[in-house]
Amino acid sequence: EVQLVESGGGLVQPGGSLRLSCAASGFTFSTYAMHWVRQAPGKGLQYVSAISSDGGSTYYANSVKGRFTISRDNSKNTLYLQMGSLRAEDTAVYYCARVYPGKYSGNFVDYWGQGTLVTVSS
Amino acid sequence: DIQMTQSPSSLSASVGDRVTITCRASQGISNYLAWFQQKPGKAPKSLIYAASSLQSGVPSKFSGSGSGTDFTLTINSLQPEDFATYYCQQYNSYPITFGQGTRLEIK
Repeated sequence: EVQLVESGGGLVQPGGSLRLSCAASGFTFSTYAMHWVRQAPGKGLQYVSAISSDGGSTYYANSVKGRFTISRDNSKNTLYLQMGSLRAEDTAVYYCARVYPGKYSGNFVDYWGQGTLVTVSS
Repeated sequence: DIQMTQSPSSLSASVGDRVTITCRASQGISNYLAWFQQKPGKAPKSLIYAASSLQSGVPSKFSGSGSGTDFTLTINSLQPEDFATYYCQQYNSYPITFGQGTRLEIK
């Protein structure tokens, strides 16, 4: 069974830093790209960042570029999101998601974690 | 960035009804379109990928269609567990973008 379990969320002051983790199990983690997606309270889904299966390629939303860093440790089956210079507008539930490498259908999300809440407030 | 626009933003329907949600992309995305269902306080659930392919375990009452810029999600024979918020997402190019969501409520 595919499982994605996020951790590391919490309350942080504006300008602070936080590292989120996503522990993966039930599949060969090293062969899948991964995404981070967030959802501010009462709002819709927003893509944050993506990383290729080997970690060699990364992508970021403009709103987090230069402040957030996505990484992975395939030996530990874990995805990370290092968040810095946090702002109130970064307050959200952060989800990790697995990306299935479809042969003819593109690379699409198939599984989601349960999410971890990050609150940026003084 | 590719803008995804869903309509309607909210929809009231009755158990047993059939409903259709529309998603329009600001430029062509081939069939690289996914649909997700989200219930309050829960993580999203993947329903459809490649515009019309059902994720494993998703009942056939859900169907998707479209290509290019215009897409639809249809849900047949609504049941209480289907009332949720639905999002489309384009994964044709980065940054990946979502529609604003369609809230499906019980009439």
